[in-house]
Amino acid sequence: GAVVSQHPSWVICKSGTSVKIECRSLDFQATTMFWYRQFPKQSLMLMATSNEGSKATYEQGVEKDKFLINHASLTLSTLTVTSAHPEDSSFYICSAQGGREADTQYFGPGTRLTVL
Amino acid sequence: GQNIDQPTEMTATEGAIVQINCTYQTSGFNGLFWYQQHAGEAPTFLSYNVLDGLEEKGRFSSFLSRSKGYSYLLLKELQMKDSASYLCAVMDSNYQLIWGAGTKLIIKP
Repeated sequence: GAVVSQHPSWVICKSGTSVKIECRSLDFQATTMFWYRQFPKQSLMLMATSNEGSKATYEQGVEKDKFLINHASLTLSTLTVTSAHPEDSSFYICSAQGGREADTQYFGPGTRLTVL
Repeated sequence: GQNIDQPTEMTATEGAIVQINCTYQTSGFNGLFWYQQHAGEAPTFLSYNVLDGLEEKGRFSSFLSRSKGYSYLLLKELQMKDSASYLCAVMDSNYQLIWGAGTKLIIKP
């Protein structure tokens, strides 16, 4: 139990385009989902926290108009990187909370975004 | 401020035992987590401690002392596949996870 999927696993796009990443909890209802970004050889950086049906809470320095988060159901959250630029190239990882150990975050496999 | 400290890098030999320490200073405490992250992959959950003492899961054990703000992850019978980064994270009074920078563990034959 407590499996989280993420799609796509990698994406290459042109500068200026938008990219949508999906995060799904497959076998549990996620009360909260989190979006992280990780640059090579650096720590996880929390971008935002989202609860189903409400607006996401963004961390300081994260542009909410650039990184659109939608948490439409208890099993699905999406992150859309709008007007992507090369500096947005990173490893984006979602996690979901609400599995068998309620406070534990279970991570999706991550999405590697490369913006040309 | 909130702070999680763990060593940047450690080296150990295959078959040996290694202990990765984590000290923390947070506003409140609602549990401590250890995650393993292989290069290029997302973290995977290893353990959760909320009470003092040792939790054992196979080759991995995690210890917590809340009064000392201290935890360690103990890995026994090290295998080459254990080469990874090990992340310590503490859930504070607001139920937010505060992440350490991770300890890169290098296993040598």
